[in-house]
Amino acid sequence: EPEVTQTPSHQVTQMGQEVILRCVPISNHLYFYWYRQILGQKVEFLVSFYNNEISEKSEIFDDQFSVERPDGSNFTLKIRSTKLEDSAMYFCASSELGGYTDTQYFGPGTRLTVL
Amino acid sequence: AQKITQTQPGMFVQEKEAVTLDCTYDTSDQSYGLFWYKQPSSGEMIFLIYQGSYDEQNATEGRYSLNFQKARKSANLVISASQLGDSAMYFCAMREGRGNTGNQFYFGTGTSLTVIP
Repeated sequence: EPEVTQTPSHQVTQMGQEVILRCVPISNHLYFYWYRQILGQKVEFLVSFYNNEISEKSEIFDDQFSVERPDGSNFTLKIRSTKLEDSAMYFCASSELGGYTDTQYFGPGTRLTVL
Repeated sequence: AQKITQTQPGMFVQEKEAVTLDCTYDTSDQSYGLFWYKQPSSGEMIFLIYQGSYDEQNATEGRYSLNFQKARKSANLVISASQLGDSAMYFCAMREGRGNTGNQFYFGTGTSLTVIP
């Protein structure tokens, strides 16, 4: 069964460093998303991406964040200068279509720890 | 106002019994989708079940069913014949139909379910 994959599973970085989190969405899916979950809290939306551009973003997704689809399979989230409060689990998700009936399938997550 | 409210931070259920996890939602859209995800201790988010706002029948997927009460804006998850492997966090989520594409999921705060042998 096709699945969303994410690398790395765990990333440790120093405050102020740049990190890139990678995701491979399900191959026939057209919509891609990033969410984050701070430990013990609910999952929060960051950004959605379709047709090589951002379709929606939350207040959390400020200028420190960027997303890219560098090739036909990868979808990346870059945090330019990490802060302590960026420590969280980051989930990539994809959906075949973008409608409200369409299920988003999540990857296993990347746990980001900022020291 | 919260889009999704889950009022049960923790629940316990005896193995083989049924359990209901509560979820209420808030939206002014006529078109929306409701989803439940399971998050085991390993951290991944596993899709369980979906209910559309126009669906007249309650959704079912194996041991999972969704008790959808539109007038009350509730979408409770029912797990029948609980198993030890059901112990996990359960999140209710909603996606609104506004704009119809790329819309985010709104998640609740989750319910931690523990199945007791």
